[in-house]
Amino acid sequence: DAGITQSPRHKVTETGTPVTLRCHQTENHRYMYWYRQDPGHGLRLIHYSYGVKDTDKGEVSDGYSVSRSKTEDFLLTLESATSSQTSVYFCAISPNSDSYEQYFGPGTRLTVT
Amino acid sequence: DQQVKQNSPSLSVQEGRISILNCDYTNSMFDYFLWYKKYPAEGPTFLISISSIKDKNEDGRFTVFLNKSAKHLSLHIVPSQPGDSAVYFCAASAGQGGSEKLVFGKGTKLTVNP
Repeated sequence: DAGITQSPRHKVTETGTPVTLRCHQTENHRYMYWYRQDPGHGLRLIHYSYGVKDTDKGEVSDGYSVSRSKTEDFLLTLESATSSQTSVYFCAISPNSDSYEQYFGPGTRLTVT
Repeated sequence: DQQVKQNSPSLSVQEGRISILNCDYTNSMFDYFLWYKKYPAEGPTFLISISSIKDKNEDGRFTVFLNKSAKHLSLHIVPSQPGDSAVYFCAASAGQGGSEKLVFGKGTKLTVNP
């Protein structure tokens, strides 16, 4: 158990509204990641963080922003949600700089109507 | 351009038999490979990994084989059990871990029939 929680676990929102998803970890891991999972696409990296206030873009970052003001929290924000952002969002951590393995949270199912 | 490919969307096997899940990659810089298992409504869980300096890694019923020249890896599950029914993702990375990103395949849904 990597001590990762995500909130909310489910959310339905309307097109054009801002949405923030939260990832919280309890073990002070340096590296954190946000992925989305869609049928036929597997897992795709949105943004990642390698420390407090240090973030970078992933493969599908358009329409998303992130913030990490504390080691334990990594926030994903959809500034103006669109139907194409309906997906399941997973947060992950990597225990240390020598580890390739990433450990995932339980996911947030977001529906944009 | 898909760098990690799992060409079989689904696979069905009988309980007790071998399950073989395949994965191909195109980026020759990848040097570490991982398999994840995912049940519905849960996050992916790490299963097994292999470094490019090896051609085989085994953990209980799970074995991963790597063929670098063919840019191909496979996951063998022997014997298969109904609880193994899940979606399996292959992932690859280039670099030194941690800060290096994982690139995932689209997944293969394994069904193990009793």
